[in-house]
Amino acid sequence: DAGVTQSPTHLIKTRGQQVTLRCSPISGHKSVSWYQQVLGQGPQFIFQYYEKEERGRGNFPDRFSARQFPNYSSELNVNALLLGDSALYLCASSFGGGGTEAFFGQGTRLTVV
Amino acid sequence: AQRVTQPEKLLSVFKGAPVELKCNYSYSGSPELFWYVQYSRQRLQLLLRHISRESIKGFTADLNKGETSFHLKKPFAQEEDSAMYYCALYNQGGKLIFGQGTELSVKP
Repeated sequence: DAGVTQSPTHLIKTRGQQVTLRCSPISGHKSVSWYQQVLGQGPQFIFQYYEKEERGRGNFPDRFSARQFPNYSSELNVNALLLGDSALYLCASSFGGGGTEAFFGQGTRLTVV
Repeated sequence: AQRVTQPEKLLSVFKGAPVELKCNYSYSGSPELFWYVQYSRQRLQLLLRHISRESIKGFTADLNKGETSFHLKKPFAQEEDSAMYYCALYNQGGKLIFGQGTELSVKP
């Protein structure tokens, strides 16, 4: 049973660099959302994509961008990395774009040094 | 502003004791609320949602609109219930607003 998969699982980057995180949703799911989870905090919403269109955006700077591909997989890009971007980045997929159940991936641990 | 508050970072109980994890929310409109759980080294997963009104693993949660609360309860805690629990509120635009989480530790 293939759940939501994210790659890579761990990543170390230097300040100022750019990073791309990847997510493959559950087969048949058309919506992908991205969350940032800083240590000791709950996940914080970054983006939602449904049917390849951006449906929601959280309170994050323009350095954060994302896209969804025709096969519904998604990428999250972060430019000009700051130390404060160090976090666990979670991807969640759901069948619809509304409040249907979200299934989470295991996350990508990003460390910025 | 929409917000979810979980006032306890850590809740420690003994096996067999009742458990209540508190969740309060701020939302203008009819809220859609969830409890997510994360067991050690596992991914975040849905435990229950208020719409379904079901009991999962012995846990229940009742939406109290008057008190704007959605507390998670279990009458008899088990050691395998030890985990991180997050209350979440669904907002428009596919956004889940999470609380800070409560770590539940069930001691033998």
